Amino acid sequence: SQKIEQNSEALNIQEGKTATLTCNYTNYSPAYLQWYRQDPGRGPVFLLLIRENEKEKRKERLKVTFDTTLKQSLFHITASQPADSATYLCALDMGQAGTALIFGKGTTLSVSS
Amino acid sequence: DGGITQSPKYLFRKEGQNVTLSCEQNLNHDAMYWYRQDPGQGLRLIYYSQIVNDFQKGDIAEGYSVSREKKESFPLTVTSAQKNPTAFYLCASSIARQPQHFGDGTRLSIL
Repeated sequence: SQKIEQNSEALNIQEGKTATLTCNYTNYSPAYLQWYRQDPGRGPVFLLLIRENEKEKRKERLKVTFDTTLKQSLFHITASQPADSATYLCALDMGQAGTALIFGKGTTLSVSS
Repeated sequence: DGGITQSPKYLFRKEGQNVTLSCEQNLNHDAMYWYRQDPGQGLRLIYYSQIVNDFQKGDIAEGYSVSREKKESFPLTVTSAQKNPTAFYLCASSIARQPQHFGDGTRLSIL
């Protein structure tokens, strides 16, 4: 079965630096890969979606890359701020009718000032 | 404002008791989902429904039941058969293949 791994449980960086979070998967490439942000005690909030045939997607200070050869997505936050501190989840959409997203366990980012 | 409302925010269950968690959405989304989140476990899918009057089991459906009688509502019942129900429960909705919108969760604890 498909497995998804976010290989850092926690990441600590200084304000102003670029945070890079990793999402790896096994087996088949998903049709879509999504990234969410979750704050403590709240539900996840959607950030970015990247399709199988896209290499990179940007939104303001956020950038997502998708490498189907490496079976990996990288999520970058440039010029990080303490307000970016949260847990970030990646999720795979295999694109098959009748299936739901597969979520990773998340990486908790802490940005110190 | 459109969104998903989960209630209550905190819920306590006695041993042997069934409890029902509410999830309502006014986004006109066809698909709705229930997830369970434990510390360090990420989101695990309990049940999902793509249309009214139809739903499918997720990875951890044992001890749970759902119904989907209306498009906007997808309640989850945690039955007494669920031996370890203490967790954070999240409801979500989406249009097919689009990103999911989440509620702010219900935290269930055992008395």
